[in-house]
Amino acid sequence: SQTIHQWPATLVQPVGSPLSLECTVEGTSNPNLYWYRQAAGRGLQLLFYSVGIGQISSEVPQNLSASRPQDRQFILSSKKLLLSDSGFYLCAWSGTGLYEQYFGPGTRLTVT
Amino acid sequence: DQQVKQNSPSLSVQEGRISILNCDYTNSMFDYFLWYKKYPAEGPTFLISISSIKDKNEDGRFTVFLNKSAKHLSLHIVPSQPGDSAVYFCAASAKGNQFYFGTGTSLTVIP
Repeated sequence: SQTIHQWPATLVQPVGSPLSLECTVEGTSNPNLYWYRQAAGRGLQLLFYSVGIGQISSEVPQNLSASRPQDRQFILSSKKLLLSDSGFYLCAWSGTGLYEQYFGPGTRLTVT
Repeated sequence: DQQVKQNSPSLSVQEGRISILNCDYTNSMFDYFLWYKKYPAEGPTFLISISSIKDKNEDGRFTVFLNKSAKHLSLHIVPSQPGDSAVYFCAASAKGNQFYFGTGTSLTVIP
């Protein structure tokens, strides 16, 4: 069966510090991968999605970036965090040609 | 621009009654719609979906209705149970690569 891992579960970082969140998927090949953010009192905002290694599409201009160095690995990064980057970050995957997405447990990021 | 909207941030329902969660969308190109359930500090879990070629899809206690002319979909839960208390997100997709989520409705089922 497929599983999706995200770490860390919680993170407190000062403004201006770098960020690296990692997501890995097991049990499937060539998944579509997604990064979402849920800010306080808001819905899920799609940040990035990837249909293959090295293929990244950005939905929202911001100081975040994403990379997909391996088929089942998706990384969210920032060189300098802003206070507004605080939120709950979710990684998700879907099968090629399938619509249902499956989410990881999320990372709670607090920028202080 | 919010393409998928859930105008009710919260809903309370008595156990055993019907819960109706609503969702509106603006993009007529959306061809697939999904509902997710989310508990605090967890990722959303897929609940039920519907293609734009249908107007109803049922799975146990959960039924999703789609009204394309009104660009409206709803999720019916009957009978509602305390374990259904969670935040429900609707989502929509065009072509399946990108998904747009609503802001969620927090459902509380009162025992």
